[in-house]
Amino acid sequence: GQNIDQPTEMTATEGAIVQINCTYQTSGFNGLFWYQQHAGEAPTFLSYNVLDGLEEKGRFSSFLSRSKGYSYLLLKELQMKDSASYLCADRSFQKLVFGTGTRLLVSP
Amino acid sequence: GAGVSQSPSNKVTEKGKDVELRCDPISGHTALYWYRQRLGQGLEFLIYFQGNSAPDKSGLPSDRFSAERTGESVSTLTIQRTQQEDSAVYLCASSLGPTYEAFFGQGTRLTVV
Repeated sequence: GQNIDQPTEMTATEGAIVQINCTYQTSGFNGLFWYQQHAGEAPTFLSYNVLDGLEEKGRFSSFLSRSKGYSYLLLKELQMKDSASYLCADRSFQKLVFGTGTRLLVSP
Repeated sequence: GAGVSQSPSNKVTEKGKDVELRCDPISGHTALYWYRQRLGQGLEFLIYFQGNSAPDKSGLPSDRFSAERTGESVSTLTIQRTQQEDSAVYLCASSLGPTYEAFFGQGTRLTVV
């Protein structure tokens, strides 16, 4: 199987930094994706990691450790519009499998 | 096309009827995925097509579900003898290949009454 674990829900304050963790099974691993999904909308791509380390893209960064089967998404300078679900997806054996997502609520 | 297109956007059907959902991927995208998302839940993998290879059907929940794709074009997901638990949003995504980001359509909201 491809068990992907991430917290169900997180809360944070506008302007703060939040880290959303994701663990996955490493067999057949071929990349780790993060997507954002606002309520009632389709997921949109945020980041892709296939090598160990940190990938920075504006306010969002994503980290990967292949040996530990671990990734995180770091969101800086939180804005109200960042309130959404954040989905970790593991590409193993070619197919793309999603975790259940982390619902982030940003409050003023 | 400019993006992944799914039709219909909404479908209400009676229990026991068959439904067919359509996905038009982005032109040139060899990979195509179908997912199911129940209200408030994550994306449940259903099936994956990659070029002309045999599809990965490991996520299909029962033999009432089937999907087809001809080459690198349109895909259809068929649900036979629909049940109330089939009510969900069905999302289609396509990508240039296995190591590229997947782009999602807006989904088909299926309601079985």
